[in-house]
Amino acid sequence: EVRLVESGGGLVQPGGSLRLSCAASGFTLNSYEMNWVRQAPGKGLEWISNISSSGVNTYYAESVKGRFTISRDNAKNSVYLEMNSLRVEDTAVYYCATGMYFRHWGQGTLVTVSS
Amino acid sequence: DIQMTQSPSTLSANVGDKVTLTCRASQSIRSWLAWYQQKPGKAPHLLMYKASILESGVPSRFSGSGSGTEFTLTISSLQPGDFATYYCQQYNIYPWTFGQGTKVEIK
Repeated sequence: EVRLVESGGGLVQPGGSLRLSCAASGFTLNSYEMNWVRQAPGKGLEWISNISSSGVNTYYAESVKGRFTISRDNAKNSVYLEMNSLRVEDTAVYYCATGMYFRHWGQGTLVTVSS
Repeated sequence: DIQMTQSPSTLSANVGDKVTLTCRASQSIRSWLAWYQQKPGKAPHLLMYKASILESGVPSRFSGSGSGTEFTLTISSLQPGDFATYYCQQYNIYPWTFGQGTKVEIK
């Protein structure tokens, strides 16, 4: 069974940092490009970052470019999102998801940016 | 960035109704469009990709059509489990973008 499990969310002050992890099981992660998608409370979905299967290519939404960094460790079957200079508007549930169209999703991890 | 606009924002319907949701792209995305269903407190669920290809395990009452800038998701006979929010997403050009969602609610 394909499973994605996000972790690392929590409460952080504005300007702070957080590192999210996405652990994959039931499939070989290195066959898939991976994404982070977020959803602010009561709002819609926002794609924020993609990393190619090899990790060579990365893409970001303008809203997080220069502050967030996506990476992966295929040997550990994991994808990461390093988030710096966090803002109140980054408060959201963060999901990892596979592919160009998102076939598999994790359950999400909540990031709250507040003083 | 490509803007995706869904209509209506909210749709009220009865069980058994045929409903059609629309998604418009601000420029051509060919057929690189996906549809998702999301229920409260849950992750989204892929329904359709490449505009009209039904994801495995998704009931055949769901169908998708369109290309270029105009797309539709049709539910032929609304079932109780279909009351949810639906999102379209383009994956033609980065940054990939979602529509704002259509909430299908019970009339």
